[in-house]
Amino acid sequence: DTAVSQTPKYLVTQMGNDKSIKCEQNLGHDTMYWYKQDSKKFLKIMFSYNNKELIINETVPNRFSPKSPDKAHLNLHINSLELGDSAVYFCASSQELLSSHTFGSGTRLTVV
Amino acid sequence: RKEVEQDPGPFNVPEGATVAFNCTYSNSASQSFFWYRQDCRKEPKLLMSVYSSGNEDGRFTAQLNRASQYISLLIRDSKLSDSATYLCVVNDQAGTALIFGKGTTLSVSS
Repeated sequence: DTAVSQTPKYLVTQMGNDKSIKCEQNLGHDTMYWYKQDSKKFLKIMFSYNNKELIINETVPNRFSPKSPDKAHLNLHINSLELGDSAVYFCASSQELLSSHTFGSGTRLTVV
Repeated sequence: RKEVEQDPGPFNVPEGATVAFNCTYSNSASQSFFWYRQDCRKEPKLLMSVYSSGNEDGRFTAQLNRASQYISLLIRDSKLSDSATYLCVVNDQAGTALIFGKGTTLSVSS
């Protein structure tokens, strides 16, 4: 069983489109996250969700919106995609806010 | 000063070598420290947590120096499979997120 699973693994789309990435964890963790890793390999926090409440929202464009239907799921919706959104997006979860994270395998988004 | 700084490397070492990575952090109140490993085109994976008294896991030893605000990772008897990028991780000043360093790349050759 995959602990943190995200889909799709690859996503190629045109500028201006709206897309979603799904994430599910079966670890029973209380906190889930979305990270963005750009071409320079820098891993940056985008959002954190703890018991369905947004607790961190870094300075990301409001075109990005996390949605959590329940504690085990945190989806990422992106509107009006731009070239600069091309990156690898990682979902992660942890038992508590500052405890070690378990990452999903990543979604490689390419905007053309 | 950046929140978490690492020497990007690359560190190129032969099999069997001992190699050490350092990482400095800016938040003197940080409480959570980790080393992660990331292979090419893969997700980061927890290598080990770092505790105040230092800790060891097989060939890997992590140390924390709070006074100088740095953590270190020592790898003994390097294996080819140790080739990866090693990420230093510390909690942020607000205590609400983990900050990942840009990573140090290690290449072990035969």
